[in-house]
Amino acid sequence: QVQLRESGPGLVKSSETLSLTCTVSGGSFSTYYWSWIRQPPGKGLEWIGYIYSSGSTAYNPSLKSRVTVSVDTSTNQFSLKLNSVTAADTAVYYCARIHPYHYGMDVWGQGTTVTVSS
Amino acid sequence: QSALTQPPSVSGSPGQSVTISCTGTSSDVGSYNRVSWYQQPPGTAPKLIIFEVTNRPSGVPDRFSGSKSGNTASLTISGLQAEDEADYYCSSYTTSSTLIFGGGTKVTVL
Repeated sequence: QVQLRESGPGLVKSSETLSLTCTVSGGSFSTYYWSWIRQPPGKGLEWIGYIYSSGSTAYNPSLKSRVTVSVDTSTNQFSLKLNSVTAADTAVYYCARIHPYHYGMDVWGQGTTVTVSS
Repeated sequence: QSALTQPPSVSGSPGQSVTISCTGTSSDVGSYNRVSWYQQPPGTAPKLIIFEVTNRPSGVPDRFSGSKSGNTASLTISGLQAEDEADYYCSSYTTSSTLIFGGGTKVTVL
């Protein structure tokens, strides 16, 4: 059974870089897309970006200038970097697996809360 | 890209049916059958309940069904149960090879 787990600092200072890692266990890594999604407190889901095992990426246009998603197939991990953060980036950050044909996100991590402090 | 449009809330009594709409454009919902729906009870991660407009993953009750017409997709919950009270989100693949979510709909069981 595939499991995803997010890890990284829960507190980031304003103007610095938010860095998170998602570790994938229990399944194939190479035939899926891998995604980051966030949810500000009391608000809806926002798609951030995805990466394929080959390294090809796609990003939300509203975040594209600040986001980098990378992958390490040797460790079955993928990562998120979001630079120049502000209080508006405070959210629960989820990683998820995307089916390569229908693009549904069929496995999710439990989420990790990141707070941006001034 | 603007979020797909969902009603903020819908409600129904146990046993009734409720339908949630998800309106996009010809650049997303209208272009592909790559529309998914997610259920998110309070304090939990989202769960995929519908993919490719109409398909249910294994284990999802058949009270949940999906459809699409033009730029609008819909999720229907038939025989509403107390455990269905949650937030529901649609998502779609886009012609720019990105993904987009709806704003979310809170389902209340009266």
